[in-house]
Amino acid sequence: RKEVEQDPGPFNVPEGATVAFNCTYSNSASQSFFWYRQDCRKEPKLLMSVYSSGNEDGRFTAQLNRASQYISLLIRDSKLSDSATYLCVVFGAGGYNKLIFGAGTRLAVHP
Amino acid sequence: GAVVSQHPSRVICKSGTSVKIECRSLDFQATTMFWYRQFPKQSLMLMATSNEGSKATYEQGVEKDKFLINHASLTLSTLTVTSAHPEDSSFYICSARTQGGGEAFFGQGTRLTVV
Repeated sequence: RKEVEQDPGPFNVPEGATVAFNCTYSNSASQSFFWYRQDCRKEPKLLMSVYSSGNEDGRFTAQLNRASQYISLLIRDSKLSDSATYLCVVFGAGGYNKLIFGAGTRLAVHP
Repeated sequence: GAVVSQHPSRVICKSGTSVKIECRSLDFQATTMFWYRQFPKQSLMLMATSNEGSKATYEQGVEKDKFLINHASLTLSTLTVTSAHPEDSSFYICSARTQGGGEAFFGQGTRLTVV
């Protein structure tokens, strides 16, 4: 089983749609959780951290369920510029001091 | 925010030669840096964890004699791909975390093509 698993997609949605991505992790001792965004041929960039209480940043909402070892990202009112690959990232999974990336979920927003 | 600079951004080399990639933390000290490799349409795969002043920790399946890592200072880690082969062609990215913080900052990546 992979340490961090994501649905690879792609998710093809129209502008204005709401889309949700899910991620599961295998190591219950994992410490921190993040969503990163990666554009084609670019380095990943932090979208948001994920807290147990859930957190929101504009159109983006992240949730963490430690009991189920599950992380989610909700994007509301999708924009064309949201098209990218979204990476679920877990710190501490699989060993000490490691950032482990999911395979990423590709999102394509169309007019 | 913190900045990580990676150089070169792109390199083409002949098979059998070695290539060095530098990763610098510009405005913070990084005792630990991470090296990742990403093949087209695949996820970032952690290759090794670079520790300042000590040996790097390599992930299973990564040849330490082929991918030499040096972390001689708190702001610089280097990855040398020795005796490169076409199958080493990939996107290599370094990352560093600030002390006490969760966010990891990434270098711009190095696209290596071995011909």
